[in-house]
Order: sequence, then C-alpha cells, then structure tokens
Amino acid sequence: DAKTTQPPSMDCAEGRAANLPCNHSTISGNEYVYWYRQIHSQGPQYIIHGLKNNETNEMASLIITEDRKSSTLILPHATLRDTAVYYCIVRSREIYNQGGKLIFGQGTELSVKP
Amino acid sequence: DSGVTQTPKHLITATGQRVTLRCSPRSGDLSVYWYQQSLDQGLQFLIQYYNGEERAKGNILERFSAQQFPDLHSELNLSSLELGDSALYFCASSPQGATGNTIYFGEGSWLTVV
Repeated sequence: DAKTTQPPSMDCAEGRAANLPCNHSTISGNEYVYWYRQIHSQGPQYIIHGLKNNETNEMASLIITEDRKSSTLILPHATLRDTAVYYCIVRSREIYNQGGKLIFGQGTELSVKP
Repeated sequence: DSGVTQTPKHLITATGQRVTLRCSPRSGDLSVYWYQQSLDQGLQFLIQYYNGEERAKGNILERFSAQQFPDLHSELNLSSLELGDSALYFCASSPQGATGNTIYFGEGSWLTVV
C-alpha cells in the first residue's frame, strides 16, 4: 500500500472550514483514498473515500488532485466535536470483493477552537 | 454506533496470564480485522479473517492468536501477557460486496496488564 504524508497538527476556528491535506505521491491506479478520524480513544470512524473523482457526503468533502498524488479533506463548518486525529489512508482494492486492510499512519491532530 | 460489538470493554489482568477478547461483526459482514493501539505505537494492524479463514497478517506476536467462527464472530487470544501488551484493542468488520467496501470499527477493549 502507498504511504501517506500528513501534517502532525492543525488548528481551525469553530464555524470555519477545516482543510486537511494529504500527500500520497506513490499511489497506484487501483488504490482508494480513505479518511477516518479518531476522537480520543474511541473507535476510528469512517468519513469518506474516493478513487479519482471528488466526493461529498454529510460529513465532509474529499478533493483528489487530477494526478491523484494528493488530496484534501474538507470539513465545511468545523465544530468543537470535530476535534480528533484524522487519518488519510491509501487502500488497495482486492479482487474477489474481500476487502483490504487499513494501514494507519500518524494522522493529523485537528484542534477546533472556539 | 458502528454495529461492531466488542467485549469486554475493560480488562485488568496480571503478567503471565491469558485473556480472550471477543468481537461480533456487523450483521452480514464476512471480514473481521484486529488492531492494537498503544500510546507509543499508534494503530497497528494485527490480523484479518475472511469468512473463517485467515486473510492477512500484520504485526501480531506469536503469543497472540485469533480465529473467526462459523457464526462470523471472532476472538483474539493473548497469552503470556507482558506489561507492554497493555493497549486498546479494536475489532473492525467489513462486508462482502463491491470493491472499496468500508471498514467499521468497534469501540475497543481496554487491556491493562499489571
């Protein structure tokens, strides 16, 4: 699986958009970009994933560059409850629909401040 | 609530002892994953089972073993426990289905070895 690089920490003002970058320059064509977050020792929570197109759901938006070497997770209106460690993970597709494990890096610790 | 259930939530045991952590995946999910999170190591992938068979192995010690039963629940057995095994152990599951299927995590089992 390709490795990812994320800043160790970021701050964001409450109510503003939080933009979390991720570099994955060695990503291959059959690898997805996944984002998870972990709020203080709770189980990691799935946020969003994408292959090459931008994606949006009720939690966030994912912007993937055209060359797929980097991506940005956008929380449009950050709240104090969004304070967490955010993990960007590249995950390979596996044939036969058996899924593939997630390999977590160190992530970005996002602090949302009032 | 992710639908992944782990028991026990907290466990304190002595060095040299053996414990079993149990995981019930989301209904219908065929893949089960185990992760270990300690303060200095981050989230480490241990092992994956798919429909009862071992599918992938990570940094799992020989003192640790796991299995997935016909009803798809899984158990992680930790033996000859050492102080360094104190950690949060997460179980996760994912469905059979289209590639890129999402992995959902339980809330973890806190293990303290004294």
